[in-house]
Amino acid sequence: AQTVTQSQPEMSVQEAETVTLSCTYDTSENNYYLFWYKQPPSRQMILVIRQEAYKQQNATENRFSVNFQKAAKSFSLKISDSQLGDTAMYFCAFMGGDDMRFGAGTRLTVKP
Amino acid sequence: DTGVSQDPRHKITKRGQNVTFRCDPISEHNRLYWYRQTLGQGPEFLTYFQNEAQLEKSRLLSDRFSAERPKGSFSTLEIQRTEQGDSAMYLCASSLVWTVAGVQETQYFGPGTRLLVL
Repeated sequence: AQTVTQSQPEMSVQEAETVTLSCTYDTSENNYYLFWYKQPPSRQMILVIRQEAYKQQNATENRFSVNFQKAAKSFSLKISDSQLGDTAMYFCAFMGGDDMRFGAGTRLTVKP
Repeated sequence: DTGVSQDPRHKITKRGQNVTFRCDPISEHNRLYWYRQTLGQGPEFLTYFQNEAQLEKSRLLSDRFSAERPKGSFSTLEIQRTEQGDSAMYLCASSLVWTVAGVQETQYFGPGTRLLVL
């Protein structure tokens, strides 16, 4: 069974600084998708960035980028120029076939 | 398109009662997922539909849980004989798997229904 591990329950970063959230996963699948979702306090989950496993190039979305290491089964999220609005729970998710698995999340606090 | 909607947003019920939640996916999305999220945890998969067909159920989905998606549009999740352990946020997500750009697995989430069983 696929598992997703986020080893950092909580992190904090100063506004305008850069922070990296880690995620590792375990799978025997070769074709799969990886996602980072953001869940602000009392608000709904929104997609931050996605990566297809067959693509070697790391995905980027404005201030958000990933470091996808397929052999190591690692999928970290880098947030550059952190903003107060980035404060949220961040969930790493894996989708292989029809199975979607989420990590336990990392609570990120951006400090002014 | 207003995104995925869920109703009600909050539900308080007494143990032993039945509850039903509704999810309206993004128009023309063919897949619809149900998840359960407890405090401080990531969502746990419950079940999903491809159009009106329910394709997979998690072992979390006991026989007290049932889900339907008539006509492949909105979906309902019913919990019978609720227990205090059912207290959680129930999330719905939808996706359009096949697009002109190819396979698109991104799921879009609704705001959730928060259930409290007393």
